[in-house]
Amino acid sequence: EAGVTQFPSHSVIEKGQTVTLRCDPISGHDNLYWYRRVMGKEIKFLLHFVKESKQDESGMPNNRFLAERTGGTYSTLKVQPAELEDSGVYFCASSPIGGASDTQYFGPGTRLTVL
Amino acid sequence: AQSVAQPEDQVNVAEGNPLTVKCTYSVSGNPYLFWYVQYPNRGLQFLLKYITGDNLVKGSYGFEAEFNKSQTSFHLKKPSALVSDSALYFCAVRDFLYNNNDMRFGAGTRLTVKP
Repeated sequence: EAGVTQFPSHSVIEKGQTVTLRCDPISGHDNLYWYRRVMGKEIKFLLHFVKESKQDESGMPNNRFLAERTGGTYSTLKVQPAELEDSGVYFCASSPIGGASDTQYFGPGTRLTVL
Repeated sequence: AQSVAQPEDQVNVAEGNPLTVKCTYSVSGNPYLFWYVQYPNRGLQFLLKYITGDNLVKGSYGFEAEFNKSQTSFHLKKPSALVSDSALYFCAVRDFLYNNNDMRFGAGTRLTVKP
């Protein structure tokens, strides 16, 4: 079974540019999550999709971030325009059922550097 | 609201010695607790979780963790460390009371096992 995949693995952009991150969850997983880890700090929740619907987007930092999951399969996270403080590692995770006891399976992350 | 603390940024042990990576938590209700490991250039891998039942939870790669409700702790342990265990370890918690998908992570502990 293929795991969660993310693309690209690294992205270096300049302040003000736009970047789009992609996540492909494990096949059949309805739940998809985005997290972010800023250098040396804890991994923070950004949002949660159930199929194509946003279940919880309370962790999105501001309106420069837009997440979509059209068709309920892969998801994209767009940052526009990027700021220096957006640098970090963006993780995607998926789970089959949802709920607090469910295990989330993580992708390798995308390391974003904003110069 | 739930939170997690990993009091040690770095843990160093010699190969063959027992290891402990500490984690304490705070929740309003009952906790669901998780340990993940991140090897270099890899995503977060699930190690183990505590949902209910036996306080001693066994997981992947010979790791185990003990849930201690009175001390609100969930320390990760292994009887005999391997050099290959060197990685970044994250503790995470969800609150049963809210049954949400917002998983709160600690800042991570870097484990180094020396030969």
